[in-house]
This record gives sequence, structure tokens and C-alpha cells, in this order.
Amino acid sequence: DTEVTQTPKHLVMGMTNKKSLKCEQHMGHRAMYWYKQKAKKPPELMFVYSYEKLSINESVPSRFSPECPNSSLLNLHLHALQPEDSALYLCASSQVGGLTTEAFFGQGTRLTVV
Amino acid sequence: DAKTTQPPSMDCAEGRAANLPCNHSTISGNEYVYWYRQIHSQGPQYIIHGLKNNETNEMASLIITEDRKSSTLILPHATLRDTAVYYCIVSGYGGATNKLIFGTGTLLAVQP
Repeated sequence: DTEVTQTPKHLVMGMTNKKSLKCEQHMGHRAMYWYKQKAKKPPELMFVYSYEKLSINESVPSRFSPECPNSSLLNLHLHALQPEDSALYLCASSQVGGLTTEAFFGQGTRLTVV
Repeated sequence: DAKTTQPPSMDCAEGRAANLPCNHSTISGNEYVYWYRQIHSQGPQYIIHGLKNNETNEMASLIITEDRKSSTLILPHATLRDTAVYYCIVSGYGGATNKLIFGTGTLLAVQP
């Protein structure tokens, strides 16, 4: 199984809502990532987890709150978002270190903030 | 992490080889060159990576110059399904995590 599964595929939320994005992998990877991608732009790194601990936060606003409850799951909790936060949110996973650090990406959650 | 420079777009005829260049003149000794591609509305897909030797797998070949300041990704027989944005990324490995920072990439359009 070389899949990273993201749910939901699409999400529309109001600026006062609280929602969560979910990411799951069963490849035994201990590094997991969140990226944000605006239209016609490259993915931008948001957060990196290593062994279920947050290792990199790329100065992301606190309205985005990541969580890694176990080695297979990664969540992104959303609260009080702005319309400019509308984007494709991508999750990825990889081994930690080693010769091959190929990252596997999910298909993303397309988020629209209204 | 070293910065990469790629042409914004390229065309290639179906069945011909596609050669995608990447400049990474500030690459340091322990940094690898990775290539990913992103087909429209999908997540990025790993293609290949290398340190200093040329590499080949079932998808592509990677040619890295001797000074490591540039590289070329070669798709030997491009098909319409290879139309995508191709990202060249330079990143270290062996640390706790592989911090993949995407540049602007090259939009490869394979023409019938």
C-alpha cells in the first residue's frame, strides 16, 4: 500500500466554522507533512512532523493547528479561516532520513472559505 | 536549502525525448537533486533523485553535471500523460526530515 489518503476531497466552510482535514498512511513512514497550494503556484510547506512530534512550522498562522495522534494519522484543524486561505491542502509522508526520502503525496483537500 | 531555476514551460512532441533542465548553482555537498511532477489537480509524484552520479529508473533518467550545478531530467519517450508541471528540488537527506521546498517548476506540454 503506497497510498496517502486525504479526507474530505472537497470542503466548503464559513469563516466562523471549525473543521478538520485528515490524512492517513500505512507505509510505516514516520515523517508527515502538510503543504498548501494556491492555484497555478507550487506547493508551500506548512508543517513537518517527525516521529509524531512537530519538527518544522513554517511560520503558519495559528488558525491552522496540526496534530499527529499516531504514526499513521495527521490532522489539520482549521478555525476562523479567511477567504484567502482557500487552496488545495496536500499531505505527504516519507521515511525519516535514509538513502531514499521519497515523499508520497495524497490527492489533496480542496478547501473553499466563504 | 539551495534554490533552483527552471524554464517556466516547454513543449515536446509525443514519442520524442523530453529534456527538462534545472540550475542549482548553490547546491552544497550533502544535498540531493529530486524531481517530482504534478499532473493537473493531483498530488505531486516522485520521479527520481540523485547526488552526483547519473540515475535511471523506469520513469526517467537524471543527468547531473560534474560540478553538480545543473541537472537534466530526461523522459525518453514522452506521452500525452506526461503533460504536467515538473519540479526540480534540492534538499539534504539523512537528517530528521526531508524538507522539500518546491520552486516554480516547468510546465511540460506533450503535443500529439
